[in-house]
Amino acid sequence: AQTVTQSQPEMSVQEAETVTLSCTYDTSESDYYLFWYKQPPSRQMILVIRQEAYKQQNATENRFSVNFQKAAKSFSLKISDSQLGDAAMYFCAYRSKAAGNKLTFGGGTRVLVKP
Amino acid sequence: NAGVTQTPKFQVLKTGQSMTLQCAQDMNHNSMYWYRQDPGMGLRLIYYSASEGTTDKGEVPNGYNVSRLNKREFSLRLESAAPSQTSVYFCASIARLAGGNEQYFGPGTRLTVT
Repeated sequence: AQTVTQSQPEMSVQEAETVTLSCTYDTSESDYYLFWYKQPPSRQMILVIRQEAYKQQNATENRFSVNFQKAAKSFSLKISDSQLGDAAMYFCAYRSKAAGNKLTFGGGTRVLVKP
Repeated sequence: NAGVTQTPKFQVLKTGQSMTLQCAQDMNHNSMYWYRQDPGMGLRLIYYSASEGTTDKGEVPNGYNVSRLNKREFSLRLESAAPSQTSVYFCASIARLAGGNEQYFGPGTRLTVT
């Protein structure tokens, strides 16, 4: 079974600065998807960014980008120019292509943004 | 287009009581999922339905049953609630099994079992 680990329970960043969230995962598969979800206090799960394992190019969505290191099984999220609205829990998730689209989540990292 | 809806939003049960959490999606998605989120943790899969008429166990199915009533609706039933089932429950759906389609999540149901 796959596991996803987020080693940072909480990260703090100054507004307009950059913060990087870590995520590692364990799998024996070669083709899969990785996701970062944002969960604000409203509890709504919001997709931030996705990465397909066979694509070497790192995904980017506006101020959010990832550093995908397939051999190291690492998938970090960088938030640039942090804004107050970025404050939330962030979850890394893994999806196998072969397992019914089930998501396996990490434990989450709380991001605090200081004005 | 409401996306994924869940009812109720909040519920308090006594130990041993039963209840059904309702989930519906209006996006014509084939696959639906039930997750639970405990404090300070990520979501864990309880059950899922890859298509209408099929259901499968996820990571933490004990104490739950599900019904895929039709393509739109996927309900989660607690037959005899226990305090360990206090959690936030999320329903999700996805268009098809293949591909990197996004899972759309409902707003969650906060359940407390006393």
